Amino acid sequence: DAGITQSPRHKVTETGTPVTLRCHQTENHRYMYWYRQDPGHGLRLIHYSYGVKDTDKGEVSDGYSVSRSKTEDFLLTLESATSSQTSVYFCATRTNSGYNEQFFGPGTRLTVL
Amino acid sequence: AQSVSQHNHHVILSEAASLELGCNYSYGGTVNLFWYVQYPGQHLQLLLKYFSGDPLVKGIKGFEAEFIKSKFSFNLRKPSVQWSDTAEYFCAVLTGGGNKLTFGTGTQLKVEL
Repeated sequence: DAGITQSPRHKVTETGTPVTLRCHQTENHRYMYWYRQDPGHGLRLIHYSYGVKDTDKGEVSDGYSVSRSKTEDFLLTLESATSSQTSVYFCATRTNSGYNEQFFGPGTRLTVL
Repeated sequence: AQSVSQHNHHVILSEAASLELGCNYSYGGTVNLFWYVQYPGQHLQLLLKYFSGDPLVKGIKGFEAEFIKSKFSFNLRKPSVQWSDTAEYFCAVLTGGGNKLTFGTGTQLKVEL
């Protein structure tokens, strides 16, 4: 494992409230990713980062923003949570070598009521 | 855009049966391919990966996959499954210039005693 932790692990919130999920890594990996996992959809990329303050959108980025002020932390923010954002969110990091393997965190289960 | 198809959404096998899970991708260039496994309640773990060379790739826990370029396929196999192989299996292809993974929708495998 690449020393990835996610917080919180579970969260229940109400529609319209802001939510921030945190991903922390200890491996000094340059690349970090946020995915959501939904039944029948597999994992879909929300945003990713290729360095401090360098981020880019994935395929399902609407309604989400990210920030990376330090190598080890990658934050995912839902500015105004909606029920469609109920999901399991996984953070991943990628090694700095040429093998492009991604390592995944334990996930955060988010429920938006 | 690149895509990954996993046609078997749910598979039920008895212990000791042989397993083959299909994965097809749509991309004409050089591909890097992965199989990940997610055990119940856990995060994704890498089973095996293909970058180049021998198209028959061996991974952990007795799994293997064969890359067939002409068929755009990367099927996962195991000669004899165990109850502990019950999990969800995801095929993924490296995209975005090597920066992103595109996942299939997953195959839920249940192994019965």
